[in-house]
Amino acid sequence: GAVVSQHPSWVICKSGTSVKIECRSLDFQATTMFWYRQFPKQSLMLMATSNEGSKATYEQGVEKDKFLINHASLTLSTLTVTSAHPEDSSFYICSARAPRLAGGTDTQYFGPGTRLTVL
Amino acid sequence: AQSVTQPDIHITVSEGASLELRCNYSYGATPYLFWYVQSPGQGLQLLLKYFSGDTLVQGIKGFEAEFKRSQSSFNLRKPSVHWSDAAEYFCAVGAGGYQKVTFGTGTKLQVIP
Repeated sequence: GAVVSQHPSWVICKSGTSVKIECRSLDFQATTMFWYRQFPKQSLMLMATSNEGSKATYEQGVEKDKFLINHASLTLSTLTVTSAHPEDSSFYICSARAPRLAGGTDTQYFGPGTRLTVL
Repeated sequence: AQSVTQPDIHITVSEGASLELRCNYSYGATPYLFWYVQSPGQGLQLLLKYFSGDTLVQGIKGFEAEFKRSQSSFNLRKPSVHWSDAAEYFCAVGAGGYQKVTFGTGTKLQVIP
């Protein structure tokens, strides 16, 4: 099946620094990728929808200047948390929308997530 | 706006027993419905989805779910639970396939020997 990878799987950084998280679709081209944030013992919250070659669409309440998303190619989207603070500590998960097969429906595959801890 | 309610935060079942996880949704049109499973520290894996057609949907790992429009429900079932099924399960609703998918708060499943 289709695979989506994230790198790094975990990162610890100091407050005020920026952190970049990569999301790659390994065996398919993803025109659309999604970024989610998951707080401990809570559900996933959609942060933004990223379409290749265009600006990301952010959900209400998500600071686009803080969470920079770049979907530079059909297999790579990056999320940069700028000037990270402890409250940004969370589990960030990306997903990629796989192309629809003939007669079928499209499918979304999730990455394994990145645990960000800001000290 | 669409929403999903998973009324059970935590469920414990014995290995070999049957399982039903509840999910209720709110959406104005025909919903796209999903069940995902998440193991600790892992991403999500799609168990099954309903877009249209037969209201009883078969998924992976022996799971099935039934869409009941009259009850706005999409409950997940498995006839015999295995210890490896212990994980967190999320129900989700989407508008137009994978656009704007909203997740429920999840149900944590514990399986006891």
